[in-house]
Amino acid sequence: AQSVTQLDSQVPVFEEAPVELRCNYSSSVSVYLFWYVQYPNQGLQLLLKYLSGSTLVKGINGFEAEFNKSQTSFHLRKPSVHISDTAEYFCAVSPTSGTYKYIFGTGTRLKVLA
Amino acid sequence: DAGVTQSPTHLIKTRGQQVTLRCSPKSGHDTVSWYQQALGQGPQFIFQYYEEEERQRGNFPDRFSGHQFPNYSSELNVNALLLGDSALYLCASSLGVGAGNTIYFGEGSWLTVV
Repeated sequence: AQSVTQLDSQVPVFEEAPVELRCNYSSSVSVYLFWYVQYPNQGLQLLLKYLSGSTLVKGINGFEAEFNKSQTSFHLRKPSVHISDTAEYFCAVSPTSGTYKYIFGTGTRLKVLA
Repeated sequence: DAGVTQSPTHLIKTRGQQVTLRCSPKSGHDTVSWYQQALGQGPQFIFQYYEEEERQRGNFPDRFSGHQFPNYSSELNVNALLLGDSALYLCASSLGVGAGNTIYFGEGSWLTVV
């Protein structure tokens, strides 16, 4: 079985400051890792994903994430946030074999302050 | 290129009633999954359809059932509604069932059970 933990339910940060949203996972099998963003009253949009290769993954809107297998983490970072980044961010994992089933964390609400 | 479309966007039902939610996958996609997102929570996997068959199922009771049509569109049916079924229901589509395939989400159907 897999589980995803997003320790921070809310993260306030000032505009143009850097931000890191933390994600830790637990799994007995190999997994792929994903970050999704959900703007108010909308569905989820893929920010980035790690399947294999370089552990530093770059995504859309200037976000990046680093896969750390030893620490079972996949933290999301952005060097300078904008007001428009205010949203809910979800980390998810999916087993690498068989049909996929995404397991999501409970989300982190990023609030960018002016 | 139309993305994943869902209908209705909002609906209110009474306990004990039945509801049907509809989903049209992104153009070219043949696999549909359904997720339930309760308020303040991450999405939880309900089931996945491919080639008109349920391929995988999450921990949801038999009151939750689905169907996939030859044109790849899908329906989610929930019988004997409970107050706890109130949530955002998200449809996601992809090309194929392979792990790691990017899934695209619709904007969801908000279900309120009173």
